[in-house]
Amino acid sequence: AQKVTQAQTEISVVEKEDVTLDCVYETRDTTYYLFWYKQPPSGELVFLIRRNSFDEQNEISGRYSWNFQKSTSSFNFTITASQVVDSAVYFCALRADKLIFGTGTRLQVFP
Amino acid sequence: DAGVIQSPRHEVTEMGQEVTLRCKPISGHNSLFWYRQTMMRGLELLIYFNNNVPIDDSGMPEDRFSAKMPNASFSTLKIQPSEPRDSAVYFCASTPRGRSGNTIYFGEGSWLTVV
Repeated sequence: AQKVTQAQTEISVVEKEDVTLDCVYETRDTTYYLFWYKQPPSGELVFLIRRNSFDEQNEISGRYSWNFQKSTSSFNFTITASQVVDSAVYFCALRADKLIFGTGTRLQVFP
Repeated sequence: DAGVIQSPRHEVTEMGQEVTLRCKPISGHNSLFWYRQTMMRGLELLIYFNNNVPIDDSGMPEDRFSAKMPNASFSTLKIQPSEPRDSAVYFCASTPRGRSGNTIYFGEGSWLTVV
């Protein structure tokens, strides 16, 4: 069975703070893919990143970075120097065959 | 290129009425997914198709829900009869041919309210 756990329901920070969103997953498959999606207040789901199970190299894209650790089955997402525009719900997802989402973390960045 | 296109964007209907949601996947994509999002249950996978064939419909809540994909460029999700608890945002998504790691692209969603 597949499962994605995002234990943080809601996080509030002040602009320019760094924030890390946690994601823990479960799967028996050896080949799988992990994703992060952003859902802003407008409601659409925006793809942020994809990693495969064989590539544990961390990735940085501007103010965003991702830390993938198979040993702890975690795929955490860090936003550096957060901005008000980062306010959204962020979903972690796992795909072996079908794409399963976590329950999401609502991030509120206050000015 | 056009993304995944869903219609209607918003629908308000009365309990007992039939609701049909439509989806046009990205051209060339061979997998299509229907998701439902509610506050209580989050994002749930309802059904997905590969090459127009339903692969897993275990997420379809009950017999009132049905989904079809008559060709590679069109899919419908039908609710008959609708109930207030079906109120949700329904997302359609598609992914290209190839490995399961391909990115899944979502439409903007159909916001359904059943009164």
